[in-house]
Amino acid sequence: KQEVTQIPAALSVPEGENLVLNCSFTDSAIYNLQWFRQDPGKGLTSLLLIQSSQREQTSGRLNASLDKSSGRSTLYIAASQPGDSATYLCAVDTGGFKTIFGAGTRLFVKA
Amino acid sequence: GAVVSQHPSWVICKSGTSVKIECRSLDFQATTMFWYRQFPKQSLMLMATSNEGSKATYEQGVEKDKFLINHASLTLSTLTVTSAHPEDSSFYICSARIRQGETQYFGPGTRLLVL
Repeated sequence: KQEVTQIPAALSVPEGENLVLNCSFTDSAIYNLQWFRQDPGKGLTSLLLIQSSQREQTSGRLNASLDKSSGRSTLYIAASQPGDSATYLCAVDTGGFKTIFGAGTRLFVKA
Repeated sequence: GAVVSQHPSWVICKSGTSVKIECRSLDFQATTMFWYRQFPKQSLMLMATSNEGSKATYEQGVEKDKFLINHASLTLSTLTVTSAHPEDSSFYICSARIRQGETQYFGPGTRLLVL
């Protein structure tokens, strides 16, 4: 059974700091892994999608890496801003029609 | 970009009534739509997966008679919470996907409060 864990559960950093969010999964047989952002009381916004054959994806200040063999993914946020404050979720597509979400990392960037 | 809408965004109802939530893909056709439930400060829990024109596949522990899902077209799926009770109060989020392996596009969510 696939399980997805995110560490840390919460993170508070000063503005401008570079930071790394971690996601681990127990079964390496995945279709893809996706990082999402969720603002309080809102739906999810897709940030980056990494296919199982890829090692990383970049979008602006965000970089996500994937190491299937070790069951890990990291989301790197460069030069953090207060507007980055949100909950970040990673989700693993196990193939078929199932996506398993981690519990999320709540990020607070202080101005 | 691909947009998914949900209606209503907020609903308050009395215990025992039924509530219908709509999920629409506005600018693309979704072969698969997903329904999730999210409790405060917790992650999303998949409730069911629906493909257009076929019956929904429910996750273990989700009562199919209580949470009726209809995927009537490639752009519309509905979730009906039947005989709602206070414990059904939650944040319900849908997502839609064009094809397997591609990203899911999420709706803004529907907050349900059952009194």
